[in-house]
Formats: sequence, structure tokens, C-alpha cells
Amino acid sequence: DSGVTQTPKHLITATGQRVTLRCSPRSGDLSVYWYQQSLDQGLQFLIQYYNGEERAKGNILERFSAQQFPDLHSELNLSSLELGDSALYFCASSVLKNTEAFFGQGTRLTVV
Amino acid sequence: LAKTTQPISMDSYEGQEVNITCSHNNIATNDYITWYQQFPSQGPRFIIQGYKTKVTNEVASLFIPADRKSSTLSLPRVSLSDTAVYYCLVVNNTDKLIFGTGTRLQVFP
Repeated sequence: DSGVTQTPKHLITATGQRVTLRCSPRSGDLSVYWYQQSLDQGLQFLIQYYNGEERAKGNILERFSAQQFPDLHSELNLSSLELGDSALYFCASSVLKNTEAFFGQGTRLTVV
Repeated sequence: LAKTTQPISMDSYEGQEVNITCSHNNIATNDYITWYQQFPSQGPRFIIQGYKTKVTNEVASLFIPADRKSSTLSLPRVSLSDTAVYYCLVVNNTDKLIFGTGTRLQVFP
């Protein structure tokens, strides 16, 4: 158990819908990262937050947004979902920017 | 952001030592070399991190030559459960945490 909690574990939704993925980082970790991993693909970096502020953006679509709240949990919002958005979405946290990162078990999103 | 290059795949047998080399020619002074392991459908797991020379923990060793342009992750006496994808990352305190394609290690009985 990494200490990072992601909910839900599985999500099935229809095209055009909007979903919210939640991540609770390890206690004391200030950095949160979001990644997308499609079937047999690499980990695509989406976005990073540090202590509530956006720090870095990767290949995140405009239909996707995220935020980190004062209690340091983070949410990834995916809207106007397409079939190609089906993937595993991982959240990770670390104490400082880019020190050892701990990953959650992921949310498997299936868009039908 | 220093780019890393590592083999796409490697095969080994149980009980053998496996060495995975990563090239990072453009590594900067304040960069650290970090390795992660990922099993299918699981999040990556930190294995080891180093700056120079040699680092060893209960799982692996990391060898970094003086010029730091490459590094080698050494897994002693692998078992079937070591079959996974191994990622080499060059990180510092300011850059994004970017994963490359990794090395897919297959361990055979």
C-alpha cells in the first residue's frame, strides 16, 4: 500500500459524459501528479500540482482539468468523454517536487 | 529536461543477474537518476535513486560512472516476479516527472 488513495477504482461511462477522479495523497506530501496510461502504452504525464498550485503541464487535453484543494487532495475532471479516453489514470504524490513519488492503484476508466 | 534512452526489452532466466543500462547524455548538475518498476495494471513503484557512484538497497543496485551520462540498474538473482517494465528517469526539483517507454523485462523459469 503506497498510501495514495484513488477513487473510484473502476468507472464506466458513456461518450460525451463528464467524470471526476479523486486522489488523496500520502499524509504530508505536497506534490500531486496525474498520469494517463492507455492499453499497452506508456505513462503520459498530464499535470502536476504543488501545495495547491499548478506547477507543470504535460499533454493534457483542454477537455481535462484538475485542481488541488487546500487539504491537498486532488481531482481530475474529464469532460466530453471520447472512446479514446478509456485508460488507467494514475495519481502520484511526493513530499517535494520530484522526490520519490508514490503511486496510487489507479482508476480504470472505460468509455462506451 | 534530460532525455533518457534504454533498451525496449530484455529477457533473463531465474537466478541470473540483470543489468539494465540507461543513457542520459544531457544530464544536468542538479539532476538525480531514478528508477521505477511497473507491473501490469499497477502504478509504478520507486526502486532506487542516485546521484553518483553506487547506491544499493534491498532490491537493487545503481551504478553511475563519473561522467553521469549513463547509469545501470542491477537486479541480483531475478525471479519470475521481477517480470515488469523498468523506467529510468532523470529528475530534479523543478522538472516534470516524465516517464519514457521503459524496458520490458521478461524473466523465464
